[in-house]
Amino acid sequence: GAVVSQHPSWVICKSGTSVKIECRSLDFQATTMFWYRQFPKQSLMLMATSNEGSKATYEQGVEKDKFLINHASLTLSTLTVTSAHPEDSSFYICSARDVRQGVTDTQYFGPGTRLTVL
Amino acid sequence: GQSLEQPSEVTAVEGAIVQINCTYQTSGFYGLSWYQQHDGGAPTFLSYNALDGLEETGRFSSFLSRSDSYGYLLLQELQMKDSASYFCAVRDTGGNKLTFGGGTRVLVKP
Repeated sequence: GAVVSQHPSWVICKSGTSVKIECRSLDFQATTMFWYRQFPKQSLMLMATSNEGSKATYEQGVEKDKFLINHASLTLSTLTVTSAHPEDSSFYICSARDVRQGVTDTQYFGPGTRLTVL
Repeated sequence: GQSLEQPSEVTAVEGAIVQINCTYQTSGFYGLSWYQQHDGGAPTFLSYNALDGLEETGRFSSFLSRSDSYGYLLLQELQMKDSASYFCAVRDTGGNKLTFGGGTRVLVKP
């Protein structure tokens, strides 16, 4: 099956710093990738849709200037959490859609990045 | 908008059958997906229903009734490794975005 990787798997940073998380589709091209955030024992909340070669589409309530998304190639999307604060501590998960599967296509999720802001 | 409801927790013993129901209210609907997530891990795809009826994949089956805005995931011959959270998710009419339910934590006991 399709494989999506994320890097780093975990990161600890100081408040006020910026953190970049990478999401890569390893064996397929993804024109669309998605970024989710998940707090402990809660569901996945979609933050934004990352489109290759164009601006990301953010969900309501998500600050686009705080969560910068860049989808520079068909296999890579990055999420940068700028000026991170403790409330940004969460599990960030990306997914990529394998369009080769047509109508039954599915999203494949990366392993997630656990961000802890001190 | 989209909203999905599923039970928060289910406990069962090894070998048993568990059914996780999911009801949804959506402004658009393209299909219902089910994902499994172990603690600390990423969601993994289990099943997808775009049309009414039952989809069977090994020990797991998923059902959809579009007229009732209802679906379920059936876990058969439960094993300890099935202890995880299970999420239903609706794909929007564009077929791109997924909205997830709150998740059902399944605890399998010996």
